Amino acid sequence: QKEVEQNSGPLSVPEGAIASLNCTYSDRGSQSFFWYRQYSGKSPELIMFIYSNGDKEDGRFTAQLNKASQYVSLLIRDSQPSDSATYLCAVNMGGAQKLVFGQGTRLTINP
Amino acid sequence: GAVVSQHPSRVICKSGTSVKIECRSLDFQATTMFWYRQFPKQSLMLMATSNEGSKATYEQGVEKDKFLINHASLTLSTLTVTSAHPEDSSFYICSAVDNRGRSTDTQYFGPGTRLTVL
Repeated sequence: QKEVEQNSGPLSVPEGAIASLNCTYSDRGSQSFFWYRQYSGKSPELIMFIYSNGDKEDGRFTAQLNKASQYVSLLIRDSQPSDSATYLCAVNMGGAQKLVFGQGTRLTINP
Repeated sequence: GAVVSQHPSRVICKSGTSVKIECRSLDFQATTMFWYRQFPKQSLMLMATSNEGSKATYEQGVEKDKFLINHASLTLSTLTVTSAHPEDSSFYICSAVDNRGRSTDTQYFGPGTRLTVL
């Protein structure tokens, strides 16, 4: 069974620090990787996607992909209380644009 | 760009009635849309893949006769929950694939529809 795994948390980080979120996936042939943020009671919103090994930066967010180790991570620099949310890792495992979602990591940024 | 809307945002209905939820891509055309369901404190559960002009593809365990999907145009997909019962109460979220630009499989989500069946 194709799976995406995340630590459900909660992960607690002080304001201003770096939050590190990790995700592993089972299908070595996966090509596309996504991070979504979901606030309580709301729908997911896209943070960023990554296709190639290495780092991809967008503002305070950096996605890191290591296909050999089958993991993808998201770093949030200068964490703000507004970053408190559940972060969903999603992977396209080659199924016609279908994404497999992890269970999400609940992140709390403490002022 | 890549804005997806859903209507209604919230619906309360009596058991046995049918409820239709609309999902629209506002600034792009979407040949593929997805319908998800999310129960409290759980992750997204994919229900079906909606393809414009063809029948939807349902995930294992999802009753196609209960959850009717129609993707009649490149900007609109509808989900009808037929003969709704309290156990169908959930947060229903659609997403649409924006094929423009570099990413050809990025899903953008609508704001969701909270269904409560009494």
